[in-house]
Amino acid sequence: NAGVTQTPKFRILKIGQSMTLQCTQDMNHNYMYWYRQDPGMGLKLIYYSVGAGITDKGEVPNGYNVSRSTTEDFPLRLELAAPSQTSVYFCASTPFVVRGRVNEQYFGPGTRLTVT
Amino acid sequence: DAKTTQPTSMDCAEGRAANLPCNHSTISGNEYVYWYRQIHSQGPQYIIHGLKNNETNEMASLIITEDRKSSTLILPHATLRDTAVYYCIVPGGNAGGTSYGKLTFGQGTILTVHP
Repeated sequence: NAGVTQTPKFRILKIGQSMTLQCTQDMNHNYMYWYRQDPGMGLKLIYYSVGAGITDKGEVPNGYNVSRSTTEDFPLRLELAAPSQTSVYFCASTPFVVRGRVNEQYFGPGTRLTVT
Repeated sequence: DAKTTQPTSMDCAEGRAANLPCNHSTISGNEYVYWYRQIHSQGPQYIIHGLKNNETNEMASLIITEDRKSSTLILPHATLRDTAVYYCIVPGGNAGGTSYGKLTFGQGTILTVHP
């Protein structure tokens, strides 16, 4: 299994441009997540999905959109890039969540995004 | 999520045991303790988790105090490749609204393993 893969690895955007960060997992996991990590900080949850067709906002959703048309893919869309979105973006997945207990999350290698 | 407190940084000599503490005094009875680490520029990696009993796997051991208010992650023979940021996470239980599996990553402990 390749696990969780993310593309691109690096990207530089100009202010106002848009792009889609791709995330794919081949483990048939139901739950998928998008986090961002600013320099020297912990990860913050942007959006998550509990299955195909179901998505919801995390802590910092403004400026982003997601979709989940298949179990495998969970793309993150930036519509109007701003310098505040300069960050490293991580996608993660987990097979299921038992209430009160969280199964281990598998993370992708990340996408480094710079907006100038 | 229950609040966790970890030291900002720690050092360890290669080959020695690294003991990373975590305080989670507000933990409730059904909340697990999870440990992840993040090696520079990579995605976080799951290490181990536990509820009340001590746990061991191929990567580490987790010692949880009897009152569950603190825990210690032990890397028995640290190597240079163990240099990373280590996160202690206590996701909320039934009252914590984490039915979707959210993990809250704080600042973590920067572990530096020296030759």
